[in-house]
Amino acid sequence: DADVTQTPRNRITKTGKRIMLECSQTKGHDRMYWYRQDPGLGLRLIYYSFDVKDINKGEISDGYSVSRQAQAKFSLSLESAIPNQTALYFCATSERTVNYGYTFGSGTRLTVV
Amino acid sequence: AQSVTQLGSHVSVSEGALVLLRCNYSSSVPPYLFWYVQYPNQGLQLLLKYTSAATLVKGINGFEAEFKKSETSFHLTKPSAHMSDAAEYFCAVSEGGANNLFFGTGTRLTVIP
Repeated sequence: DADVTQTPRNRITKTGKRIMLECSQTKGHDRMYWYRQDPGLGLRLIYYSFDVKDINKGEISDGYSVSRQAQAKFSLSLESAIPNQTALYFCATSERTVNYGYTFGSGTRLTVV
Repeated sequence: AQSVTQLGSHVSVSEGALVLLRCNYSSSVPPYLFWYVQYPNQGLQLLLKYTSAATLVKGINGFEAEFKKSETSFHLTKPSAHMSDAAEYFCAVSEGGANNLFFGTGTRLTVIP
């Protein structure tokens, strides 16, 4: 099994629908992150969490919410999906310091029509 | 404030030729620097990282990068390109104690047979 698992891998949804992307990890890392990737823009941080009670907004949190259900689980929700949220979404984890880098999931490709 | 600039969104090289992917960073303190690779339909995988131990860092698959403080650069090189190197490459920076990594916009490497 992968260290960081994202579900679903692909999803097509309609404008206005609520959708949840899930991430689970077996690394035992405290820190978890959600990024979106858009062509030409690289990866941009949506939310991050240092533990179950510590949730922080990233640079592009508008239109998104998150839930840290347990140390190993971190979900991203789009309350009312819009077409410009079409992107590749990545979950990542890190140890107590990011200086060792991230472990990434395989990504969720989301299309909002 | 920390940031990363990757010069060249697309780079093409012939098989067997030198690979050079450029990354310049901005950081107010000594940074931690990373190169990640993303193969088609996959997540990001750590290639190598600079954590101040040595300025020349060797990574996986024959890649290496040199930290040059005077030039604020961390360029990625490989002496001889292989077809399997075709992928997108991301440079990332973290200042010590930072909460997350900041990514560049990526460079897509094409290897021509």
